[in-house]
Amino acid sequence: DGGITQSPKYLFRKEGQNVTLSCEQNLNHDAMYWYRQDPGQGLRLIYYSQIVNDFQKGDIAEGYSVSREKKESFPLTVTSAQKNPTAFYLCASSSRTGRLSETQYFGPGTRLLVL
Amino acid sequence: SQQGEEDPQALSIQEGENATMNCSYKTSINNLQWYRQNSGRGLVHLILIRSNEREKHSGRLRVTLDTSKKSSSLLITASRAADTASYFCATADSWGKLQFGSGTQVVVTP
Repeated sequence: DGGITQSPKYLFRKEGQNVTLSCEQNLNHDAMYWYRQDPGQGLRLIYYSQIVNDFQKGDIAEGYSVSREKKESFPLTVTSAQKNPTAFYLCASSSRTGRLSETQYFGPGTRLLVL
Repeated sequence: SQQGEEDPQALSIQEGENATMNCSYKTSINNLQWYRQNSGRGLVHLILIRSNEREKHSGRLRVTLDTSKKSSSLLITASRAADTASYFCATADSWGKLQFGSGTQVVVTP
């Protein structure tokens, strides 16, 4: 899982509650990403950030929010507006070398369950 | 919508056999990447092949890319029980965003 940590491993959300998933990397990577994975499916991009204090919506940003105040941290908040939040959430990072598309390194994931 | 689609969805083989899975995509790409995911874990990068490359090797892995057919294949030779995992292709556009397929689940039995 190489230098990217996610916490917690399991997270339980009550109806109407906002929850925040943590993602930290010590790889000195500029770019960070959040993906959602549903059972038997591939990954879908929620948000990504190519530089501190800047981030862009991915394909399924509704009901989620992010911040990028520090290079090594990219927390994801699942808001109460996300009506179907149960999924496996993966954080990733990549270096930026002038070519934008590079290998992404993934964290171990956080499984979010709704009570 | 997902850019890449893997085929087959599932594959069961015995140790020592080769495993081949395919990925088809729809739009032009900068590169194509293959990742492995063990159950309940994060993804691990296996290999990246750029749009101007046709074939790449890494250990027991062989990847081909045919941009005219918009397809790629991943071959795992002499499979081992430890190769049991889901394998995903991901296409990168010129902005660096990855689009993942739904994966091929590979089971290697001893």
